[in-house]
Amino acid sequence: ETGVTQSPTHLIKTRGQQVTLRCSSQSGHNTVSWYQQALGQGPQFIFQYYREEENGRGNFPPRFSGLQFPNYSSELNVNALELDDSALYLCASSLDRANYGYTFGSGTRLTVV
Amino acid sequence: AQSVTQLDSQVPVFEEAPVELRCNYSSSVSVYLFWYVQYPNQGLQLLLKYLSGSTLVKGINGFEAEFNKSQTSFHLRKPSVHISDTAEYFCAVSPMDSNYQLIWGAGTKLIIKP
Repeated sequence: ETGVTQSPTHLIKTRGQQVTLRCSSQSGHNTVSWYQQALGQGPQFIFQYYREEENGRGNFPPRFSGLQFPNYSSELNVNALELDDSALYLCASSLDRANYGYTFGSGTRLTVV
Repeated sequence: AQSVTQLDSQVPVFEEAPVELRCNYSSSVSVYLFWYVQYPNQGLQLLLKYLSGSTLVKGINGFEAEFNKSQTSFHLRKPSVHISDTAEYFCAVSPMDSNYQLIWGAGTKLIIKP
């Protein structure tokens, strides 16, 4: 059984650029949730995808968008990057939207300069 | 709306001593409760969860937590810590009426002194 894989592990972008982060869900899981964890803080919910559709969204602007593919992998896209977008982005997969069975990836560390 | 407060940002403790990490929450609806651990440069790992039933929940690595509904608390305990327990610990809740997200505390760094 494979876990959750995120790529890349680190990246540096310039303010105003766009970025795409990727997540492969655990085998058998059909739900992916994305969280943003700023330094020294707890994670903040961005959105969740279930069977290729957005199932819920946190308090993030529309420049944060996502996709889920038929194989249940997912992308997080952020447009017009701002300095405050610098954070660890965590992907979690689960079965049937359940958040009590999350498996987290190791995250992507995004630095915006 | 829900919120989670972890009362201590850091907890230093000697190796083999007991430890308690405190978590209080606020919610107008019933919630599920979780503790996660994050080792340096890694993702989050579930330690234990309370969904229903017995209010004393046992988790991995010798940790346990007790749900106290009247005090809206879910404190994490371990009777004897090891150097390998050095990590950041996060308490989280999920409202039962819309359980697609977790609401997290700010975390507590557990520092083990030799």
